[in-house]
Amino acid sequence: KAGVTQTPRYLIKTRGQQVTLSCSPISGHRSVSWYQQTPGQGLQFLFEYFSETQRNKGNFPGRFSGRQFSNSRSEMNVSTLELGDSALYLCASSGDRGYLGTYEQYFGPGTRLTVT
Amino acid sequence: AQSVAQPEDQVNVAEGNPLTVKCTYSVSGNPYLFWYVQYPNRGLQFLLKYITGDNLVKGSYGFEAEFNKSQTSFHLKKPSALVSDSALYFCAVRDLNTNAGKSTFGDGTTLTVKP
Repeated sequence: KAGVTQTPRYLIKTRGQQVTLSCSPISGHRSVSWYQQTPGQGLQFLFEYFSETQRNKGNFPGRFSGRQFSNSRSEMNVSTLELGDSALYLCASSGDRGYLGTYEQYFGPGTRLTVT
Repeated sequence: AQSVAQPEDQVNVAEGNPLTVKCTYSVSGNPYLFWYVQYPNRGLQFLLKYITGDNLVKGSYGFEAEFNKSQTSFHLKKPSALVSDSALYFCAVRDLNTNAGKSTFGDGTTLTVKP
């Protein structure tokens, strides 16, 4: 079974631009979560989607948004990029309730975003 | 609200010795606890979980963890460390009770196993 894939793997953007990151979960997984990982702040929860609905959102400004499609693929968008947005963005999928109830999350390799 | 604490930023052990990486948690309902490992420039990999049942859970690569409800702890252990175990380890709690599925991670503990 294929793992979680994220595209692109690396991105370099300038301040003020916007960016869209993509995540394809493991087949059959309906829960997709996004995290920001930085050396200083660790792993910070951005949001989680389940069956195209946002179930929970972390403490990030409205510049950070996401969506999930009917095939469970998810995208994350960051508008008006700031230098502080430079980070590794990780996507994770899980089976969750209603599908095996496995609960653990499977992470993609991440997208390394650099804002200059 | 839920939270996770990993009190040690760094753990150093000699190869062949037992290792322990500590984790304590706070959650309002029943805890769903996880350990993940991250190797350099890689995403996180699932190691093991506690949902219910036996307090001692076994996972990948010979790791195990002990759930202690009274001490609200979920320490990661391995009887004999390998150099290849050197990595960044994260403890996480997931609040499935509220159907939100939000995971909260600890700050991570860097494990270094020396030959």
